[in-house]
Amino acid sequence: DGGITQSPKYLFRKEGQNVTLSCEQNLNHDAMYWYRQDPGQGLRLIYYSQIVNDFQKGDIAEGYSVSREKKESFPLTVTSAQKNPTAFYLCASGTATKGEQFFGPGTRLTVL
Amino acid sequence: AQSVSQHNHHVILSEAASLELGCNYSYGGTVNLFWYVQYPGQHLQLLLKYFSGDPLVKGIKGFEAEFIKSKFSFNLRKPSVQWSDTAEYFCAVIPDNNDMRFGAGTRLTVKP
Repeated sequence: DGGITQSPKYLFRKEGQNVTLSCEQNLNHDAMYWYRQDPGQGLRLIYYSQIVNDFQKGDIAEGYSVSREKKESFPLTVTSAQKNPTAFYLCASGTATKGEQFFGPGTRLTVL
Repeated sequence: AQSVSQHNHHVILSEAASLELGCNYSYGGTVNLFWYVQYPGQHLQLLLKYFSGDPLVKGIKGFEAEFIKSKFSFNLRKPSVQWSDTAEYFCAVIPDNNDMRFGAGTRLTVKP
């Protein structure tokens, strides 16, 4: 069953703690993306990676970090430096530059 | 700043009414255009896309969109909506720099 999985679906953390969100794809896509979705603001790009061992900052990378050690995996760490981490996080992947992106189910992070 | 604008935050229609959701963008040059839909509790999924060719694009579930280059617009239409079309709709643009940019989204509520 091909697709993108994100885990967990809901995540709660205390303020000041780092937390890592998982994203795995078995679509054999080169490119992977992390977005943050807030009500009334659409999706904003945090980080993206077009190839293993390489990634680029998006518009709102501050307070986040990523790694791309394997083609299938693109975990996102929300660090304690992120001022407003409570949000819905979406991972996506795609085959080519400027092409369609396929989205995972998302992780809703709540920082208490 | 360059952007993607969706004019309506929330649209409420009765079943069988016609739908048009506006999307304008401010990027020059060649762009790829997309409409995504997010049904309640589901993944973001692609409705339709435009890369080149016929500016009238047909997508899934009876949706279509028209690219009007002179107006920098890519409006989404459906002649007769159903209750099951209740969802949030996002317009997205990939301009020359290859980052996908999303509008803020339009929430559509269809009353049975």
